[in-house]
Amino acid sequence: QKEVEQNSGPLSVPEGAIASLNCTYSDRGSQSFFWYRQYSGKSPELIMSIYSNGDKEDGRFTAQLNKASQYVSLLIRDSQPSDSATYLCARGGGATNKLIFGTGTLLAVQP
Amino acid sequence: SAVISQKPSRDICQRGTSLTIQCQVDSQVTMMFWYRQQPGQSLTLIATANQGSEATYESGFVIDKFPISRPNLTFSTLTVSNMSPEDSSIYLCSVRDSPQETQYFGPGTRLLVL
Repeated sequence: QKEVEQNSGPLSVPEGAIASLNCTYSDRGSQSFFWYRQYSGKSPELIMSIYSNGDKEDGRFTAQLNKASQYVSLLIRDSQPSDSATYLCARGGGATNKLIFGTGTLLAVQP
Repeated sequence: SAVISQKPSRDICQRGTSLTIQCQVDSQVTMMFWYRQQPGQSLTLIATANQGSEATYESGFVIDKFPISRPNLTFSTLTVSNMSPEDSSIYLCSVRDSPQETQYFGPGTRLLVL
């Protein structure tokens, strides 16, 4: 079992729709969770971090964490073509105290 | 967030040679890391660069192949030694903004080994 699992996609959504990206993790000791966006040919940029159960909103982005289910998600409202990128989920803390990344989900927002 | 620069941004190298990648941060940071991202793949942690001591390598990575230096809290180098085409990848420097554990990435070095 991978430490952090994501569906590789591609996830295709129409412009203006809600994109839902999901991630599961195996280490119950994980303390922190991050979503990074990576455009093709660019380095990852941090979008959201979340540490507590529940929702955290920042503009069009909402991160959701459920530690009991070992599940973290990212919702993107009013998706734009400029949101088309690979979204990487990462977890920190736990046994290794290092950031461990999932394989990423490719999001394609169709105009 | 810290501003991270890497040099070179890209390079094409011949097999058997070595390349040293530099990472410079505009402020002191607690931790620095080196990642590799092979084409179409996610990020793999190579090692944690420790200031004033030997780097901590992840499974599958060894010091002879990827020597790392970190002489101070703002600078680190990664050397890719005796390169083969399998080393073609993007190499990313990353820093941790302690204590919040937020981690940021440099622009990356794109390496092609022929």
